[in-house]
Amino acid sequence: DVKVTQSSRYLVKRTGEKVFLECVQDMDHENMFWYRQDPGLGLRLIYFSYDVKMKEKGDIPEGYSVSREKKERFSLILESASTNQTSMYLCASLVGRDRGPYNEQFFGPGTRLTVL
Amino acid sequence: AQSVTQLGSHVSVSEGALVLLRCNYSSSVPPYLFWYVQYPNQGLQLLLKYTSAATLVKGINGFEAEFKKSETSFHLTKPSAHMSDAAEYFCAVSLNTNAGKSTFGDGTTLTVKP
Repeated sequence: DVKVTQSSRYLVKRTGEKVFLECVQDMDHENMFWYRQDPGLGLRLIYFSYDVKMKEKGDIPEGYSVSREKKERFSLILESASTNQTSMYLCASLVGRDRGPYNEQFFGPGTRLTVL
Repeated sequence: AQSVTQLGSHVSVSEGALVLLRCNYSSSVPPYLFWYVQYPNQGLQLLLKYTSAATLVKGINGFEAEFKKSETSFHLTKPSAHMSDAAEYFCAVSLNTNAGKSTFGDGTTLTVKP
């Protein structure tokens, strides 16, 4: 079974702090994604990566950056956390060099981040 | 461009009743369609997917969905609801032309009453 793990289930940070969210997948998937989930807004794509050191902006990249130095690990970085970044963050992976639009994404359990 | 609309942010049914969760999509090319389920405090997991092989798709836990091109719909159904079906359900669409990125609906929370 594909397993996607996220470094923390719950995280509390203060405004202005630099925050790192880590995601690791164990199935050698090429593609990885970061979403944020807010009530009534579904999942919104922040960034995704289709290969090591490659990244593309999603729909809401402002205030975030990402890093993918190894194939299995995809990090989301909040350079200076703000209260409006309080949310559930979900990481996902997807197999396929062609970005596999017909394949399903595998999700981690999520990190609930609170910024005070 | 692609988009997904889930009609009804909350659906409530009695145990044993039919479950119907609605999803309509918009795309300029043939879509791939997915239903995911999210149980409390968990990530999403795949229920079923449509990849053009068959219009009626069967998934896990007794769910199925039918792709209707003329109606641009991919509604999720289950003949008899179980208490364990209480969760949030997301419809998603993905296109060959959009680099594998999926667009997700806003989600429908299913409540099952005893």
